[in-house]
Amino acid sequence: GAGVSQSPSNKVTEKGKDVELRCDPISGHTALYWYRQRLGQGLEFLIYFQGNSAPDKSGLPSDRFSAERTGESVSTLTIQRTQQEDSAVYLCASSLGSPTGSYNEQFFGPGTRLTVL
Amino acid sequence: GQQVMQIPQYQHVQEGEDFTTYCNSSTTLSNIQWYKQRPGGHPVFLIQLVKSGEVKKQKRLTFQFGEAKKNSSLHITATQTTDVGTYFCAGDAGNMLTFGGGTRLMVKP
Repeated sequence: GAGVSQSPSNKVTEKGKDVELRCDPISGHTALYWYRQRLGQGLEFLIYFQGNSAPDKSGLPSDRFSAERTGESVSTLTIQRTQQEDSAVYLCASSLGSPTGSYNEQFFGPGTRLTVL
Repeated sequence: GQQVMQIPQYQHVQEGEDFTTYCNSSTTLSNIQWYKQRPGGHPVFLIQLVKSGEVKKQKRLTFQFGEAKKNSSLHITATQTTDVGTYFCAGDAGNMLTFGGGTRLMVKP
């Protein structure tokens, strides 16, 4: 079956523009996660969804970042008024179960490389 | 909040040498997972450890979960160039899976 897909794979934008990143999780996976990974760095947790609700938004860096998930499937991460410091790879992952306990193995997508000029 | 630390951050080894990365949690974990991210790729799940003192092997990789369920290690025997990448541990403390900062392994042929 298909894995987690993300689009676009690459996005170059100008400072101040808004961008929208999309994630299609594995079908049937209830939990969906967004991470940011700067070059050569670790995974920075942004937000996760259980179904369509987001119990934990603690990782969103600022109010310029928002995310939503509809139909317990597709999720979009929106960054408004992009800044150069937003340049990074944005990774999406999904898991069959909730973030803890059984079936919480995370399957990652290939990521969206965002470059803000 | 829960913190998961990994050491070392970077490790250069000669091909054929062994390699170990260590993971330490500030809280007791219900389970720990390990992921590998190849250069330019995305993290891929390797294994999950659940029981205190558990040891699991995957070919040349040996994973251990500490008796107190607060630390873990990944040991690679006789590294190969295909082992290059960043290894992340991720600890489940019952509220969220928290990733460590990763250990980047570089192997000189």
